[in-house]
Amino acid sequence: AQSVTQLDSQVPVFEEAPVELRCNYSSSVSVYLFWYVQYPNQGLQLLLKYLSGSTLVKSINGFEAEFNKSQTSFHLRKPSVHISDTAEYFCAVSSTGTASKLTFGTGTRLQVTL
Amino acid sequence: ETGVTQSPTHLIKTRGQQVTLRCSSQSGHNTVSWYQQALGQGPQFIFQYYREEENGRGNFPPRFSGLQFPNYSSELNVNALELDDSALYLCASSLPGGATGELFFGEGSRLTVL
Repeated sequence: AQSVTQLDSQVPVFEEAPVELRCNYSSSVSVYLFWYVQYPNQGLQLLLKYLSGSTLVKSINGFEAEFNKSQTSFHLRKPSVHISDTAEYFCAVSSTGTASKLTFGTGTRLQVTL
Repeated sequence: ETGVTQSPTHLIKTRGQQVTLRCSSQSGHNTVSWYQQALGQGPQFIFQYYREEENGRGNFPPRFSGLQFPNYSSELNVNALELDDSALYLCASSLPGGATGELFFGEGSRLTVL
């Protein structure tokens, strides 16, 4: 079984400031890792994923996350946030054998203000 | 290409009643998963259907049941509703086999149990 811990329930940040959303996972088997974003009144959308290969993965809108196996972490970062990044961010894990069955964290609310 | 659509978007039921939620998967996707997202929580895996067969189940009681049809659409049925069943129910479809782990979510059906 896997579990995901997102320690920060809310992260307030000013526009153009950097941000890091923390994610730690627990698993006894090899994993895939994901970040999903949920805008108000919408479903979840995949932001980025780590399946294999380079441990640093990037999204098209400037977010990046690094898989750290020794620290069992997959923190999400962005060097400069925009108002439109305000949303709920969920970290998720699956075992490599059941890739589409995800275990989600409780989410981090990113609130970007001017 | 149409995305994942769910109906109804909102509904109110009373304890003990039964509810059916519906989902049309994204074109070309033969795997459908259902998740329950309680207020302030991350989505929790209920079950998955692949080629009309249940392909994995989370920690939910048998009164949560499902179906997948030949066109890959799906239903989630919940019997004997309890107050704690109040939540956003998310349907997600994925590519055949779901090997990449990317889920495409609908906007959800918000169920309120009074």
